[in-house]
Amino acid sequence: SAVISQKPSRDICQRGTSLTIQCQVDSQVTMMFWYRQQPGQSLTLIATANQGSEATYESGFVIDKFPISRPNLTFSTLTVSNMSPEDSSIYLCGVHGQVLGETQYFGPGTRLLVL
Amino acid sequence: KQEVTQIPAALSVPEGENLVLNCSFTDSAIYNLQWFRQDPGKGLTSLLLIQSSQREQTSGRLNASLDKSSGRSTLYIAASQPGDSATYLCAVPSPGNTPLVFGKGTRLSVIA
Repeated sequence: SAVISQKPSRDICQRGTSLTIQCQVDSQVTMMFWYRQQPGQSLTLIATANQGSEATYESGFVIDKFPISRPNLTFSTLTVSNMSPEDSSIYLCGVHGQVLGETQYFGPGTRLLVL
Repeated sequence: KQEVTQIPAALSVPEGENLVLNCSFTDSAIYNLQWFRQDPGKGLTSLLLIQSSQREQTSGRLNASLDKSSGRSTLYIAASQPGDSATYLCAVPSPGNTPLVFGKGTRLSVIA
């Protein structure tokens, strides 16, 4: 199985600021995803992080609000920009690739509280 | 658009009971189904993955079944323990794509 780390594990931020979340995998993976889990809800896909090109965003999520980088096959960042209290969620990085079979694995998540 | 439903939303059982969690999905054209466990405020732990060609998958006290034609899966937990208390999530790949579509989960409490 893959070992996935996320930084920070949690943060409390002020309205209007931005936070960048990092996801590091211990092996090369084909696909990396970013999900959001709002309080009491299930996971919703934000975007697929594509290496060397722009991320693919799901309906309702835009690049200006959630810019994503993926410089290589083991690392990605998600930035939550111009935050509001509605952005308070757990943000999770998920990975999938041939090296890992078909199982998808997830990082421990980043708990974000926006005041 | 794939939709995943999990029943019940919450379940409380005494220690030692066997229990079944249910998952249904609307688009049966899936190539696998995955069950996860999530502890409060934490990330997801993969429990079992069933390929579309399989009927069952077992890991320890956990047994997951898949009936692709009817769009259903169950997760059976034998001899439940307080340490099993968590939210259990069912997920399938979205059609034509690999990101997962999740159910809302079943919150399980096992009482000692």
